[in-house]
Amino acid sequence: GIQVEQSPPDLILQEGANSTLRCNFSDSVNNLQWFHQNPWGQLINLFYIPSGTKQNGRLSATTVATERYSLLYISSSQTTDSGVYFCAVGEDSNYQLIWGAGTKLIIKP
Amino acid sequence: NAGVTQTPKFQVLKTGQSMTLQCAQDMNHEYMSWYRQDPGMGLRLIHYSVGAGITDQGEVPNGYNVSRSTTEDFPLRLLSAAPSQTSVYFCASQGRGAGSYEQYFGPGTRLTVT
Repeated sequence: GIQVEQSPPDLILQEGANSTLRCNFSDSVNNLQWFHQNPWGQLINLFYIPSGTKQNGRLSATTVATERYSLLYISSSQTTDSGVYFCAVGEDSNYQLIWGAGTKLIIKP
Repeated sequence: NAGVTQTPKFQVLKTGQSMTLQCAQDMNHEYMSWYRQDPGMGLRLIHYSVGAGITDQGEVPNGYNVSRSTTEDFPLRLLSAAPSQTSVYFCASQGRGAGSYEQYFGPGTRLTVT
């Protein structure tokens, strides 16, 4: 089955810093999503991005499907960005998502 | 539009007890699923459904049952609770069609089995 690897596993930054989170996947997919799990456990969908680039405020994501990776950029980090960021991939035809282990981000004030 | 709702938020069970975790969505999504998340870990798929009357097993189905009698509801039943089922349970739903493949999650149910 498809393997999903996220890096780095942990990241500690000062408020205001920029960060790049990476998601590698082992096979072709046409469904890739990024999620943020906040410190209270809530899971929020950030992007559906099987290819190309999207931006939403300080967050942006790029997926290069032919090279099997996706990047999540966070600019001007705020303490509210802390939490775990998950990448999940799959095929639109069968709905199921394969999840990475996540990147735990801590933003210090 | 409430999105995905789950009840209860917290539950404590004794070993051997049974219970049902409720999940409902008001987005008319075909796909619904149940995950469990153990401390410090990612999500593991328990069961999923691609429409009313259709369910299938995920990665960790043992000890759980599901049914899907309506598009809106997807309850998860624990048959005989065990301490290994202590976890946080998330329900999710996902639509289909251009721009509708995002998966949305409920707030979770934190279950402790003693």
